[in-house]
Amino acid sequence: EDQVTQSPEALRLQEGESSSLNCSYTVSGLRGLFWYRQDPGKGPEFLFTLYSAGEEKEKERLKATLTKKESFLHITAPKPEDSATYLCAVQSRRDNAGNNRKLIWGLGTSLAVNP
Amino acid sequence: NAGVTQTPKFRILKIGQSMTLQCTQDMNHNYMYWYRQDPGMGLKLIYYSVGAGITDKGEVPNGYNVSRSTTEDFPLRLELAAPSQTSVYFCASSPRDTEAFFGQGTRLTVV
Repeated sequence: EDQVTQSPEALRLQEGESSSLNCSYTVSGLRGLFWYRQDPGKGPEFLFTLYSAGEEKEKERLKATLTKKESFLHITAPKPEDSATYLCAVQSRRDNAGNNRKLIWGLGTSLAVNP
Repeated sequence: NAGVTQTPKFRILKIGQSMTLQCTQDMNHNYMYWYRQDPGMGLKLIYYSVGAGITDKGEVPNGYNVSRSTTEDFPLRLELAAPSQTSVYFCASSPRDTEAFFGQGTRLTVV
């Protein structure tokens, strides 16, 4: 069964204290892995797509990496405005009928960055 | 561009009432989706559409209906509201069934 597990559930950092969030997945053929950021009371905001093991993407203080079993979202020298819930989702390759598989979402990591 | 716009932002319904959640996008995306988000459950796909006139069920379609008469609009209809439909509903669109762009959400309470 396709599955996505994110850890930790919650993380509290001091401003400038770098850390990583984990997204472990089990999927029958990965089409793509997605990272989103969600602020309270808002919809998820797209951050990155990763397609193959070894791929890396960067945006400001965020860097996403991908292996065959997991993805990491590295946060370097975070600021209070990086506080949010970070969601991971995976999409498997087309099924035998040629249909794109739907996204499987993790429950997210709630990140708080203290000034 | 406004992106994906959802209305209303908040709504309280009585059990058995019906309502339509509106969603419109101005990015000319073919793919559109409706999700619900419940605490501890993650995002669950209700319905999706790959283009005007084409819709299909997601993981949790029971109690909902959709239509897609134009590229821009993708309304979600709740018939005979039940307490189990209390949730936050998100509409999203995507150009290629890859990265999705979400609306601000509708917080629905059924009492």
